[in-house]
Amino acid sequence: NAGVTQTPKFQVLKTGQSMTLQCAQDMNHNSMYWYRQDPGMGLRLIYYSASEGTTDKGEVPNGYNVSRLNKREFSLRLESAAPSQTSVYFCASFKDRGLYEQYFGPGTRLTVT
Amino acid sequence: GENVEQHPSTLSVQEGDSAVIKCTYSDSASNYFPWYKQELGKGPQLIIDIRSNVGEKKDQRIAVTLNKTAKHFSLHITETQPEDSAVYFCAAGSSYKLIFGSGTRLLVRP
Repeated sequence: NAGVTQTPKFQVLKTGQSMTLQCAQDMNHNSMYWYRQDPGMGLRLIYYSASEGTTDKGEVPNGYNVSRLNKREFSLRLESAAPSQTSVYFCASFKDRGLYEQYFGPGTRLTVT
Repeated sequence: GENVEQHPSTLSVQEGDSAVIKCTYSDSASNYFPWYKQELGKGPQLIIDIRSNVGEKKDQRIAVTLNKTAKHFSLHITETQPEDSAVYFCAAGSSYKLIFGSGTRLLVRP
C-alpha cells in the first residue's frame, strides 16, 4: 500500500514549455486534489475531483488543466509554463466528501526559468 | 474571499514547554478544522482534526480547541520534544474544500 505517489519529484522547465504532473493513489478514495505550496502562503487549491469523471476549479486554476483518468489517477498539466508557476505541487486524496482521511503525496518541486 | 489566518509564523520553545498555535477563519459555513504537520521535504500529514459540533479534542500530547462563535481554533502541544520541530498548518473547510493557513514553523530547542 503506497498511499499517494507523485512523479516526478523534481522538474526544471523553461518558460513556455509544457509538462504533466502525475498522481496516483491506491486507497480507493473518491476525491483527489492538486495544491501548490509557496513560501509563506500555505497550500492553495488548484483543482479537485470529487469523484471519477468530475473536476472543479479551486482557488488558483489559471494556467493549469487536470484530468481524472480513472479512480486512481489525477494528473495536472501546465500547457505553457511561466515563472509564476515555480512552486511545490502536492496531490492529495480523500476518502469521502473531502473532509475525512486525507493523505498527501510527497510533492513535486517545479522550477520555471 | 474565504481566508484562514494563522499565528505565529515562527515559534521557538524549550523542550518540555508547551506550544500554542492559533487560527481564525472567515467562512461561517466551515465545519471541519484539521491540523497538519509538515516535515522538511515531505507532504503534510494530518495530526488531529475537529468538527464543528465539538469544542475540544485531545490525542496524547496534542489538543485542539474550537470557538465557533469567535471563529477561531487553536493547537496545543504539551511537553514538546525535538521531533515536534516542523511546520504546522491549520485549515478550515466545508464540503469538498479546505482553506489553509500560512503555516507556523515550530522549533523545539533541546
